[in-house]
Amino acid sequence: DIQLTQSPSFLSASVGDRVTITCRASQGISSYLAWYQQKPGKAPKLLIYAASTLQSGVPSRFSGSGSGTEFTLTISSLQPEDFATYYCQQLNSYPVTFGPGTKVDIK
Amino acid sequence: QVQLVQSGAEVKKPGSSVKVSCKASGGTFSSYTISWVRQAPGQGLEWMGRIIPILGIANYAQKFQGRVTITADKSTSTAYMELSSLRSEDTAVYYCARDSGATVTDAQGDYWGQGTLVTVSS
Repeated sequence: DIQLTQSPSFLSASVGDRVTITCRASQGISSYLAWYQQKPGKAPKLLIYAASTLQSGVPSRFSGSGSGTEFTLTISSLQPEDFATYYCQQLNSYPVTFGPGTKVDIK
Repeated sequence: QVQLVQSGAEVKKPGSSVKVSCKASGGTFSSYTISWVRQAPGQGLEWMGRIIPILGIANYAQKFQGRVTITADKSTSTAYMELSSLRSEDTAVYYCARDSGATVTDAQGDYWGQGTLVTVSS
């Protein structure tokens, strides 16, 4: 199985900050990576797929990059509604796997 | 607009089975692929498997092989996830999600159900 690691696991930031989350895969996955946002008690929300394609309706302050084994999710200017946990997901091969998550909290 | 509505919370005894439903509206159900993902309390997301209803073909995570069955009823636009031999570690919120496409490379979930809490307790 392809393992995903995320760093940091926890991030404290302020409104307006630029935030970057990294996801690393245990083997190359081309660009078959998605990012999700999850708020407490809610289902995950798809933000980005194919490593860098913004899902319809997602604000442009979210962006993704990377290929192979290293990927990043960037929030250019953190907004109050962005405080949540973020997960990466690899879609290169079965079984589909998720990273352990990065919680973004208010400083 | 696609909507996925899941069945209600369940409390089950260890060793029993649970069957969670996921009813879809909007779009064409037979063209969907539906994945099931679970989340234990305070933990991350865990992919369990997916089904292509038009083909009736399901893929499962090895961890759940033999214990999970994912099916779909095209006549009612409903997908099901049945998990057997339940143990306390299966206590989790179970989500269904519509995948963007049929292949694994398109298995990102663009629409999600609201989640179903399954509690396994004696």
